[in-house]
Amino acid sequence: GEQVEQRPPHLSVREGDSAVITCTYTDPNSYYFFWYKQEPGASLQLLMKVFSSTEINEGQGFTVLLNKKDKRLSLNLTAAHPGDSAAYFCAVRPLKNYNQGKLIFGQGTKLSIKP
Amino acid sequence: GPKVLQIPSHQIIDMGQMVTLNCDPVSNHLYFYWYKQILGQQMEFLVNFYNGKVMEKSKLFKDQFSVERPDGSYFTLKIQPTALEDSAVYFCASSWGLGGAAETLYFGSGTRLTVL
Repeated sequence: GEQVEQRPPHLSVREGDSAVITCTYTDPNSYYFFWYKQEPGASLQLLMKVFSSTEINEGQGFTVLLNKKDKRLSLNLTAAHPGDSAAYFCAVRPLKNYNQGKLIFGQGTKLSIKP
Repeated sequence: GPKVLQIPSHQIIDMGQMVTLNCDPVSNHLYFYWYKQILGQQMEFLVNFYNGKVMEKSKLFKDQFSVERPDGSYFTLKIQPTALEDSAVYFCASSWGLGGAAETLYFGSGTRLTVL
């Protein structure tokens, strides 16, 4: 079945610098991709939902890139600020689970922003 | 945004006891899910639930597990009896529908279950 690998597990960047988190997946038929952010003690907050036909997705202070050829999804935070410190999770919705509502998650990345 | 509430945030119980994890999903959502995350590992799908029935469960959803949502109240995950390997964080989620924009899962903050 679908497998998702997320890297790096930990990332520390200075305030104002960019941060990149990457997920690779195995099922070429995957058609929905998600990034979630989780601050300590809080819920997973949906950052962005990406459909497979859209390669570049702009959010507030971040960009999500989808490279279908390489089966790679990345979250690029521009000009990181202390509020970005959190755990980030990618998730993939494989096509063959169309009717099941099942997401395959990456392992998570703990992002720390240093002043 | 939409909120999913999980109660309690932490629970510690002795092996062999029963435990019930409670989830208050988003009010107009129809589909409900439990995911399990063992420390340091990926969050993994356990089960989804719609219209009073389990639609799909994974191999992690052992016979000792059950889910229900009596009379539209809390969506619950019951483990009876518990085992040491059930120690994990359990996340509840809900969505309005399946497929397309309706299938956006909103998650709670998790219940950390420790089985001693």
